Amino acid sequence: DTAVSQTPKYLVTQMGNDKSIKCEQNLGHDTMYWYKQDSKKFLKIMFSYNNKELIINETVPNRFSPKSPDKAHLNLHINSLELGDSAVYFCASSQGGGYGYTFGSGTRLTVV
Amino acid sequence: KQEVTQIPAALSVPEGENLVLNCSFTDSAIYNLQWFRQDPGKGLTSLLLIQSSQREQTSGRLNASLDKSSGRSTLYIAASQPGDSATYLCAVSPPYSGAGSYQLTFGKGTKLSVIP
Repeated sequence: DTAVSQTPKYLVTQMGNDKSIKCEQNLGHDTMYWYKQDSKKFLKIMFSYNNKELIINETVPNRFSPKSPDKAHLNLHINSLELGDSAVYFCASSQGGGYGYTFGSGTRLTVV
Repeated sequence: KQEVTQIPAALSVPEGENLVLNCSFTDSAIYNLQWFRQDPGKGLTSLLLIQSSQREQTSGRLNASLDKSSGRSTLYIAASQPGDSATYLCAVSPPYSGAGSYQLTFGKGTKLSVIP
């Protein structure tokens, strides 16, 4: 009964490949997010979706494309992977403005 | 642009000590502040959420305070235990736009080690 689940947990791939990370939440939240934690452990928002609509789209390369088929799912597709994309990617969800975030356990992406 | 600073970056204490972690933010116009715990290789666990209208929140041995006007929050951990060893992250959100989505700006965290 995991609240926010991401797959895969680890992803090792070669430069130039395309990969996807999947996220699902069973909390009934309307909003989902992708955050990136870089090698210095700094967390920064990438995208947010509210009821399948893109709300926040920070300055990330357009090789990153989020997709939300329904409000319980938010996937992240990355094209033409580069070494600098290596990081931990966290999915999260929230409901409204006053109830805080729930994070998934993260996907560690390593590009070689 | 909101910036969040956490001091110290690392802290080592003997078991049983009370300790305080500090968080400061540059823009006092926040909606809420959330403290998280991150264990190595794991996700973030929410510890406490303080709304901008609140002064503090308590959960068990944890107490978080918020002084919005001065841009500061503290996380107090009483009677620390080795299981408290983790990185503690502070995050603030801007005024809520009503769009259902709000972003968090994180500090870089304080890595806590509690020595048995």
